[in-house]
This record gives sequence, structure tokens and C-alpha cells, in this order.
Amino acid sequence: DGGITQSPKYLFRKEGQNVTLSCEQNLNHDAMYWYRQDPGQGLRLIYYSQIVNDFQKGDIAEGYSVSREKKESFPLTVTSAQKNPTAFYLCASSQDHSSNQPQHFGDGTRLSIL
Amino acid sequence: AQTVTQSQPEMSVQEAETVTLSCTYDTSESNYYLFWYKQPPSRQMILVIRQEAYKQQNATENRFSVNFQKAAKSFSLKISDSQLGDTAMYFCAFISGGSNYKLTFGKGTLLTVNP
Repeated sequence: DGGITQSPKYLFRKEGQNVTLSCEQNLNHDAMYWYRQDPGQGLRLIYYSQIVNDFQKGDIAEGYSVSREKKESFPLTVTSAQKNPTAFYLCASSQDHSSNQPQHFGDGTRLSIL
Repeated sequence: AQTVTQSQPEMSVQEAETVTLSCTYDTSESNYYLFWYKQPPSRQMILVIRQEAYKQQNATENRFSVNFQKAAKSFSLKISDSQLGDTAMYFCAFISGGSNYKLTFGKGTLLTVNP
């Protein structure tokens, strides 16, 4: 079945450590997105990519980095510069970057600090 | 900047009854799209329904329908014949016709369907 796969489901980070969250889609979508979800705050956009080899910062990009080397993959790295990384991270994709195309979400990764 | 407000942090409804979730938004744009997403305890975000601002007719998907009041900037979700599986967080979201990427979410309403 087509969909978005995020891994791992749970991830723990030690102080000073970078960790990478995986997001893979087989929907042949051009656009991909990373959101952070905190309790009581809804979803906030971290980074987005409209096409391979291109990405832009969202509202809360500090302490995060991404790459888009392949159409189907959009990994998110949470760096040691992100001082409050504990959150639920959701990856999404859409057919293209047109606003009328709905975004489809993965199952998420919960990141916690050890 | 666009904002989306969901004024009901939590709601509950009896199975088989009807419930309405509220959402208001603020924008100066005339071309935009509105969405309701459902997030059950499994945490997956599922698209429930979508409304295009230039369409006057309210969107409907089976038991889910919206009341879109463009002048009032209101976009409520009505769930008819509520089922236990409807228990979830519901998020209202807005995207500008010109922004081409940014979904702005409300903070969500936790709906509990009681047997």
C-alpha cells in the first residue's frame, strides 16, 4: 500500500548527541514536510521541501537540519543545538506544493531526552 | 499572519449523537483552503474533510460535514451518528492559496465518544 513511513517510532537522545528521524514515502509526492507537535500547541512546521535537492526553513527550524537527496526520502536531524527536542515529530507529503493538495501524514516519531 | 483558533479544548458526546466542533480563523486573503484532521490515540494524522474557500457549498464526507461561514471566518465540523472510533484529537487547519506550503493548525479539540 502507498503511504508514509516514519522510523523509529520511539527515539532517545543523549545530551550533545545528534539524532536522525527517517521519513520515506512511496506516493510519488513532490513535496514533503516536517512538523513538531507539543502538547497544547498543535503542529508547527520545521522544514519543507517542494522538490528534490531543495528545502526551506519553516517556523521553528533552529536546531534542526534536513536533506532531500531522493524524492521518496526526507530525513530530519535533531542537532545538539536544539535544547528542547522532546516532542512528537510528524512527517507529511503532498502531491505537489499547490495549496489545494492535502498533506498526508506518517505515524510519527516520539523523541525523548535520556 | 494567519491564525486558527479552536475554542473547545475538550468535548464529549454520547454514541449515536451529533456533535459540532468549532474553528475560527483569521486571514486577509480571499483564496484559501480549510481542513479538518483527526488524530486518534495511535497518533496518525488523518484527513477528515476539506473545504475550498471559493466554494459556497459546504463539504460533506459521509457522517462528517462542515458549516463554512466565510464572512464570519468560521469553519465548524459536525459529526453525525458519533461512533466510538471517532474518539480523537481534531485539528482545524488553514492554508493560503498563495503560500503553497504552510499549513497553519489550531491547537486541537479532544473529542471523547462515550458508550
